[in-house]
Amino acid sequence: DAGITQSPRYKITETGRQVTLMCHQTWSHSYMFWYRQDLGHGLRLIYYSAAADITDKGEVPDGYVVSRSKTENFPLTLESATRSQTSVYFCASKPGSYTGELFFGEGSRLTVL
Amino acid sequence: AQTVTQSQPEMSVQEAETVTLSCTYDTSENNYYLFWYKQPPSRQMILVIRQEAYKQQNATENRFSVNFQKAAKSFSLKISDSQLGDTAMYFCAFMKREATNNDMRFGAGTRLTVKP
Repeated sequence: DAGITQSPRYKITETGRQVTLMCHQTWSHSYMFWYRQDLGHGLRLIYYSAAADITDKGEVPDGYVVSRSKTENFPLTLESATRSQTSVYFCASKPGSYTGELFFGEGSRLTVL
Repeated sequence: AQTVTQSQPEMSVQEAETVTLSCTYDTSENNYYLFWYKQPPSRQMILVIRQEAYKQQNATENRFSVNFQKAAKSFSLKISDSQLGDTAMYFCAFMKREATNNDMRFGAGTRLTVKP
């Protein structure tokens, strides 16, 4: 019963490098989300996906790329990491559009030096 | 755009006492969900309680209850008989019910410390 898993849990990288955060869910949920958590801002939506091959921007999408070729995977890529992208990243999922609750992964802490 | 405001960055309470965390939100929508999530030091986001806007009755989950005031756009969380394990960040969140937008908006959080 793995649920939703993120990897890596911790990552340190340098400015300008490409970084990919992985998210995998075993529930076959339709919707998946990427949030970033920063002090004073709570969680803010980066991108979300309603189904495989369907993605859309959230509140803070700049500098990030997502894809969803399979229902269970939703990777988040920082194409050229910047210090402002130092944050804790959460992947989340939910079964359908009218179900309110989000199920979260354990988070990935990314530090960009 | 919907906004969620938690005006108490930090709060503390003695073990076994009751504490109330405040949350207000701004929306023109009529159908929506409101949530309280708990984030302990482990960083895991855990759903504490959920309220559907069309329901007038306040949601309760064991020691956790809400005071939902739709007209005032207020959604406070009451924790009764506080326990040390309640120490965590608490986030209030709002989500429109319509399928066209599934963005869950979060407040900045309230850090709650339960003191022995």
